[in-house]
Amino acid sequence: GAVVSQHPSRVICKSGTSVKIECRSLDFQATTMFWYRQFPKQSLMLMATSNEGSKATYEQGVEKDKFLINHASLTLSTLTVTSAHPEDSSFYICSATDTFDDQPQHFGDGTRLSIL
Amino acid sequence: AQTVTQSQPEMSVQEAETVTLSCTYDTSESDYYLFWYKQPPSRQMILVIRQEAYKQQNATENRFSVNFQKAAKSFSLKISDSQLGDAAMYFCAYPPLESSGDKLTFGTGTRLAVRP
Repeated sequence: GAVVSQHPSRVICKSGTSVKIECRSLDFQATTMFWYRQFPKQSLMLMATSNEGSKATYEQGVEKDKFLINHASLTLSTLTVTSAHPEDSSFYICSATDTFDDQPQHFGDGTRLSIL
Repeated sequence: AQTVTQSQPEMSVQEAETVTLSCTYDTSESDYYLFWYKQPPSRQMILVIRQEAYKQQNATENRFSVNFQKAAKSFSLKISDSQLGDAAMYFCAYPPLESSGDKLTFGTGTRLAVRP
């Protein structure tokens, strides 16, 4: 089945640091990837839709300059949290769509980001 | 806006018993998919079951089945013969009207505890 790899799984860094999270589709090409944020005991909140070769589409209220998304190839999307602060601490999950598969999205295992 | 509502924040079931998790949604579409996802403590998102709206028959996957009431816009998940490994957060999900087809809106989730 389609596999999505997300890296790193855990990041702890100082306030002001920029953090990059990678999302890779390992055995399929993903023209569309999604980035979610999940607070403790809450649901997944869609942050943005990442489209290969074009600009990401951000959900209302999500700061484009804070959460930079790059989808440079059909197998890789990256989310960079710029100048991260403690309020950016959260669980971030990516997912990808395989157009030859009947599942709507395949999810990565998530990244737990802690900003000190 | 399309909404997905899960009215039970927490549920508990005795091992080997049956439990039903409720979900209601709002849509003006006539054909669409509905999904249930499981998120265990590992936080990996796992697709449990899907239902296509035009199909009258309720979807079934082993111990998991749905009760799909299209007119009532209700999509409940029944777990039979509950096992300890079923303990997780369960999210109902639906593609919103304005999406390209793959974007998902998640409900607030139901935390299921399984008592041994």
